Amino acid sequence: KNEVEQSPQNLTAQEGEFITINCSYSVGISALHWLQQHPGGGIVSLFMLSSGKKKHGRLIATINIQEKHSSLHITASHPRDSAVYICAVLNSGGSNYKLTFGKGTLLTVNP
Amino acid sequence: EAQVTQNPRYLITVTGKKLTVTCSQNMNHEYMSWYRQDPGLGLRQIYYSMNVEVTDKGDVPEGYKVSRKEKRNFPLILESPSPNQTSLYFCASSPSSPSYEQYFGPGTRLTVT
Repeated sequence: KNEVEQSPQNLTAQEGEFITINCSYSVGISALHWLQQHPGGGIVSLFMLSSGKKKHGRLIATINIQEKHSSLHITASHPRDSAVYICAVLNSGGSNYKLTFGKGTLLTVNP
Repeated sequence: EAQVTQNPRYLITVTGKKLTVTCSQNMNHEYMSWYRQDPGLGLRQIYYSMNVEVTDKGDVPEGYKVSRKEKRNFPLILESPSPNQTSLYFCASSPSSPSYEQYFGPGTRLTVT
């Protein structure tokens, strides 16, 4: 079983809809990243979380350490939000310099 | 401009022909890492480096070598490439550890025939 599970794998939405992407992990972590990868391959970092909630524009990321769960929300979604969203965790046990990734959620926002 | 660069961006090669993919960052970051991305498997870490002359294995290091002689450069070496190393490769850096924001290079698409 993968240490990091994302759901859903694929998500299609209409422009303007509220989007939620989930990430669950099975190990103790010291940090969790949300990444965005547009078609064409480039990866950008959206958030790094160790607790609580962060907001940047229309994007909100939350983490619940006790439940080992994080969510990425997109408000008022737009076609330019279409991308793969990837969750990655930094394990707090053993080597804490290795990142483990979820397999990603493909989001398509239709106009 | 702060950036991570990789070269080449695309490479087609043959089995057994040694190759090097270069990675360079201009942000004075201590941590650098290599990942490969494969359909259905997502991103997986190959090697990482905490600082000059300090490197360690990630989850899929077999068939790869790295070196960190200078802070800004972290080349990935495939001494005898095989078709199962056909993949999309990303280099990334962050200030001191992966608990900080990661800056990714543009990716290198490698095909080994």
